[in-house]
Amino acid sequence: QQQVKQSPQSLIVQKGGISIINCAYENTAFDYFPWYQQFPGKGPALLIAIRPDVSEKKEGRFTISFNKSAKQFSLHIMDSQPGDSATYFCAAGRATGTASKLTFGTGTRLQVTL
Amino acid sequence: ETGVTQSPTHLIKTRGQQVTLRCSSQSGHNTVSWYQQALGQGPQFIFQYYREEENGRGNFPPRFSGLQFPNYSSELNVNALELDDSALYLCASSLAGRQEYFGPGTRLTVT
Repeated sequence: QQQVKQSPQSLIVQKGGISIINCAYENTAFDYFPWYQQFPGKGPALLIAIRPDVSEKKEGRFTISFNKSAKQFSLHIMDSQPGDSATYFCAAGRATGTASKLTFGTGTRLQVTL
Repeated sequence: ETGVTQSPTHLIKTRGQQVTLRCSSQSGHNTVSWYQQALGQGPQFIFQYYREEENGRGNFPPRFSGLQFPNYSSELNVNALELDDSALYLCASSLAGRQEYFGPGTRLTVT
């Protein structure tokens, strides 16, 4: 019930292309869906997050699309750049209350080539 | 960079030993969560502290314990270290469990 499934495991995109990473969750109690970017040897950095009352959120080149009925959400990186090469994790949790642990996906290793 | 700091950066311990990892939360945050990230995996929730009390625990044995101090900094203690405890340990701070910001982590190697 607590799983978050993430795909693909790895992704190679040309510079300027669109990177798309997908996640699916099971627990309908989740109401907070962040995406984190992690570079080797560093902690995850919060990129963008969405609540289930909206279907899309955009911040710069990063967009989250959310489908509540399908229990799926995705990250789109527009105009992908070599500096975007990193591992991306989706997560799900509860934004309210204090026992709001995050359940993470298994990660997607993105490589943006020149 | 977040305002969350962790120490030490790296640590090597022998099986059976005990270890203490430290975390200073971002200014204004009152909640600290600890996660274990094995190589090539996503972070796994260990436990969370809110106002110095444990406030939720993941599927980790009791030899993983913690503390939160009045200034909201925190410690993670692991007793009787096992080889499988080798991982990156991440601390994340938040305001009452909302958006979590991670520190750089402590890389623990158990030999």
